[in-house]
Amino acid sequence: GAGVSQTPSNKVTEKGKYVELRCDPISGHTALYWYRQSLGQGPEFLIYFQGTGAADDSGLPNDRFFAVRPEGSVSTLKIQRTERGDSAVYLCASSSWGGGSTDTQYFGPGTRLTVL
Amino acid sequence: SQQGEEDPQALSIQEGENATMNCSYKTSINNLQWYRQNSGRGLVHLILIRSNEREKHSGRLRVTLDTSKKSSSLLITASRAADTASYFCATESGGSYIPTFGRGTSLIVHP
Repeated sequence: GAGVSQTPSNKVTEKGKYVELRCDPISGHTALYWYRQSLGQGPEFLIYFQGTGAADDSGLPNDRFFAVRPEGSVSTLKIQRTERGDSAVYLCASSSWGGGSTDTQYFGPGTRLTVL
Repeated sequence: SQQGEEDPQALSIQEGENATMNCSYKTSINNLQWYRQNSGRGLVHLILIRSNEREKHSGRLRVTLDTSKKSSSLLITASRAADTASYFCATESGGSYIPTFGRGTSLIVHP
């Protein structure tokens, strides 16, 4: 079946604007993860969903960042009042159940966000 | 914050040579995983090694883990130009199943 998809692939916005990034996980995967990756760095964890609920949002940098997964499938990462420092590639991953260390995460291609 | 640190940051080799990348981490782990990333986009899971394992193989990949030294190595044998990518280690610790990634090693394999 299809892998994890993310839209848009690229997003350019102006400082202060609001953006939404979408993630479509692999069908049937209950766990969904958002990461942010800056240039030359590894992915940095933002938030993890188990079903519809955020099981761990400790990685969200501040209250301008918010994510939802209302039906336990598609997730949207929302960033308010964007700042230039938010520019990065935002990666989404899903896994079948998220409850074990052997549960492989499958990553999407990412959304490259540029804040001018 | 990043738990694992890969070494070297960049590696350039000729096709057919072996490539070795190392990962060091700071705190005790449950497992360590290696991922590959092409062109700064999606990551692909390569191999997972548990804290009670010392070595694992998958095709041309060989991973070792030394928990006493808090380090792991990824060996790619008989490298190919298509192996050109960034390679990341990621650790899971305590009760968390959220992997913490290092900064990665950029590997270039020249044909």
